[in-house]
This record gives sequence, C-alpha cells and structure tokens, in this order.
Amino acid sequence: KNQVEQSPQSLIILEGKNCTLQCNYTVSPFSNLRWYKQDTGRGPVSLTIMTFSENTKSNGRYTATLDADTKQSSLHITASQLSDSASYICVVSGDPGAGSYQLTFGKGTKLSVIP
Amino acid sequence: DGGITQSPKYLFRKEGQNVTLSCEQNLNHDAMYWYRQDPGQGLRLIYYSQIVNDFQKGDIAEGYSVSREKKESFPLTVTSAQKNPTAFYLCASSGTGIVSPLHFGNGTRLTVT
Repeated sequence: KNQVEQSPQSLIILEGKNCTLQCNYTVSPFSNLRWYKQDTGRGPVSLTIMTFSENTKSNGRYTATLDADTKQSSLHITASQLSDSASYICVVSGDPGAGSYQLTFGKGTKLSVIP
Repeated sequence: DGGITQSPKYLFRKEGQNVTLSCEQNLNHDAMYWYRQDPGQGLRLIYYSQIVNDFQKGDIAEGYSVSREKKESFPLTVTSAQKNPTAFYLCASSGTGIVSPLHFGNGTRLTVT
C-alpha cells in the first residue's frame, strides 16, 4: 500500500530559527514529490515539485531535498518568520503515466513559529 | 487574477438534506478534483475530471456526486447517503503535465447536524 509518513506531527520554533521537516514514502513506482503549505482554514499552496533526478530545489527560504534511493525527503525552512506558521504537506505521485490524480498525501506537519 | 473560487466558505445543513458545493476556476485547466480533509488525516480524493462531460470516482466517492458541464465549473453534491459528511472540502485544478502542481481553492467547511 502506498504511504507517506511525515515527522514530526507538530513543531514549535522561535522566530528566526531554522527547522527541517521529514517525509518518508513507500510509493512505487515513483514519479515526483511535492511539498505544499497550508494555512489554517485555507487551501494548500505548492512550494516545490521534485522529480526522480532532482536532489534539491529551493523556493525562497524553503529548500526541499529528495533521496529517491532511501525514499526520503526533507523541507528545510531558513530564518523562520511568523507567517511560516502553517501545516506542511508532503505529496507523492506514484505513476508516471497516471497524472495528478494518483497522488498520496501525508498527514502534514503543523509548524508554529513564536516570537 | 487567475485562481479557483469555492463557495460558500461555511455551510450548515440538517442530516438527510443534499447540499451542493461550488467550484469555479479561470486558469483554463482541463483537470479538476475534489478532496476531503479531516483532522489528522491526509487529503482523500472524492472525484476527478480530466475533461468536460467526463469524470471518475476517487477513493471515497460513495455518497457524493459531481458534474462537469463546463470547463470552468465542477460542483460537488454531498448526498444524504454520505454517512459522515461533516468535513473540509477542497477543490483543485491542474494543467496536463505530469509535474503540474495542483492549484487549490480555499475550501468549504461543511457541518451537518
């Protein structure tokens, strides 16, 4: 069964500090891995999408890494801001020919940035 | 600005009533999706449509119905057959590329009592 596990479930950090969120998956075959940010009460917003051949991708203060051999990804947030408080969702696409509907969603990591 | 509009943001219904959630997009995307989000769970796919007048069941389609009469619109009806309809419903669209990101609306929170 395809699964995406995220850790930690929740995290509290001080403003200005860095943090790293983890994502492990068992989806196979693998097509691409996505990170989304979801503010409370709103829809998720795409941060990065990485294919099999990409090891790292950045979007401003967000940097995602991917190790397709160990089926692990991480999302590193640098110099956190209060606006980074949100849930971060890891999503894996498992069939290269299946399109976006063959996605497996993690349960998310809830990040709280405090002053 | 291009985007996806879901309405209403909050919806309250009595048990046994059908209710329709609206989803409109002006991104010119062919594919549209409905997801359900419950606390502590990942998003689950209800229905998706890759082209007008065609749609497919997702993982949890029972008790739901959809239509796709226009490219821009993909309404979801939550029927009385849905056993546990209270949830946060998200509509999304995407382009045709394999790595096209999903663009989500801001959701409709449905409460059934």
